[in-house]
Amino acid sequence: ELKVEQNPLFLSMQEGKNYTIYCNYSTTSDRLYWYRQDPGKSLESLFVLLSNGAVKQEGRLMASLDTKARLSTLHITAAVHDLSATYFCAVDGIFGNEKLTFGTGTRLTIIP
Amino acid sequence: NAGVTQTPKFRVLKTGQSMTLLCAQDMNHEYMYWYRQDPGMGLRLIHYSVGEGTTAKGEVPDGYNVSRLKKQNFLLGLESAAPSQTSVYFCASREAKSSGNTIYFGEGSWLTVV
Repeated sequence: ELKVEQNPLFLSMQEGKNYTIYCNYSTTSDRLYWYRQDPGKSLESLFVLLSNGAVKQEGRLMASLDTKARLSTLHITAAVHDLSATYFCAVDGIFGNEKLTFGTGTRLTIIP
Repeated sequence: NAGVTQTPKFRVLKTGQSMTLLCAQDMNHEYMYWYRQDPGMGLRLIHYSVGEGTTAKGEVPDGYNVSRLKKQNFLLGLESAAPSQTSVYFCASREAKSSGNTIYFGEGSWLTVV
């Protein structure tokens, strides 16, 4: 059974600093997603990573995927308050196993 | 969240009552999912469907039933609600994996069982 672990679970950081959220998964997968969720809201899609070595960037967020290590990272550069949210990674089963499994989330708080 | 609609958005149930959550999508998607979200536990998959007339169990299926009689609708039923089913429920849908990558989520349904 696919397991997805994120760390840290909670992250409090100052504006202007850099940090990385890690997402590890237990079995072979063919794609990985990153989502953002604001309190009381639904999930907002950030990135879809489809292959080993994939890197995607949007503003101050950059996601990467290493399928051999079964690891994805979400890097935050020069954090700003608007990035405060909970971030989830989610991992697809391989074809024929269509479950989408989520990590437990990382609650990010940016302190002015 | 365009295209995925959940009803109702809020509901309070008494223990033992039954109810059905409806998820409707207008994008002709093959796959549909029901998740529950509890504090500190992320989203856990309850049931999912890979096409009309099919359903499969997820991580936490006990106490729930589902049906996908029409492609655009995925129903989640609670036959006898328990306080442990107090949660936020999210529905999601997407195309077959060979056709696309985007997963669309509904706005969520807040359910309280007292």
